[in-house]
Amino acid sequence: KAGVTQTPRYLIKTRGQQVTLSCSPISGHRSVSWYQQTPGQGLQFLFEYFSETQRNKGNFPGRFSGRQFSNSRSEMNVSTLELGDSALYLCASSFGQVRETQYFGPGTRLLVL
Amino acid sequence: GENVEQHPSTLSVQEGDSAVIKCTYSDSASNYFPWYKQELGKRPQLIIDIRSNVGEKKDQRIAVTLNKTAKHFSLHITETQPEDSAVYFCAAPDTGTASKLTFGTGTRLQVTL
Repeated sequence: KAGVTQTPRYLIKTRGQQVTLSCSPISGHRSVSWYQQTPGQGLQFLFEYFSETQRNKGNFPGRFSGRQFSNSRSEMNVSTLELGDSALYLCASSFGQVRETQYFGPGTRLLVL
Repeated sequence: GENVEQHPSTLSVQEGDSAVIKCTYSDSASNYFPWYKQELGKRPQLIIDIRSNVGEKKDQRIAVTLNKTAKHFSLHITETQPEDSAVYFCAAPDTGTASKLTFGTGTRLQVTL
């Protein structure tokens, strides 16, 4: 089975711009979660989509949004970028059941200048 | 929500020695505890997990123990090898959620020759 894939892998943007990241889950997985990883804050949960609906949400501002398509692929959007948004953005997929393994993608490294 | 604390933040051991990483969690209802290994520049990968109906789980040189009364769980790596060098994260899900993981701050393990 192909693993979780993310595009693009690297991105450079300037403050005020917006960005869209994409995540394709493992075939058959219906849950996609997004995490932000920074040296200072570690791995922080952004949100989870399951069957095209946001099921859980972390403590991030409304500039961070997402969606999920009928094929379970998910996109994450960050508007009005700030320097502090520079991070590795990871998505993880699973079948969406409790106590189940989440499989991570390789991440998108975003640099905001 | 869940709060996970992880210690130590860095750990250096000689090849062949054992390494132990400890995590505590706050929500007594938590029932699933995964451990992820992240090598430099790579995605987090699940190495072992434990569910609350058991106190210990082993997989070759890796074991995890769980003490529900004290609300802590530990990762044990025996006969460490240079390829064990990485950052290790513990995690626990928010109660009632399937995919909202709260991660510890990570332990950088260095295995020296």
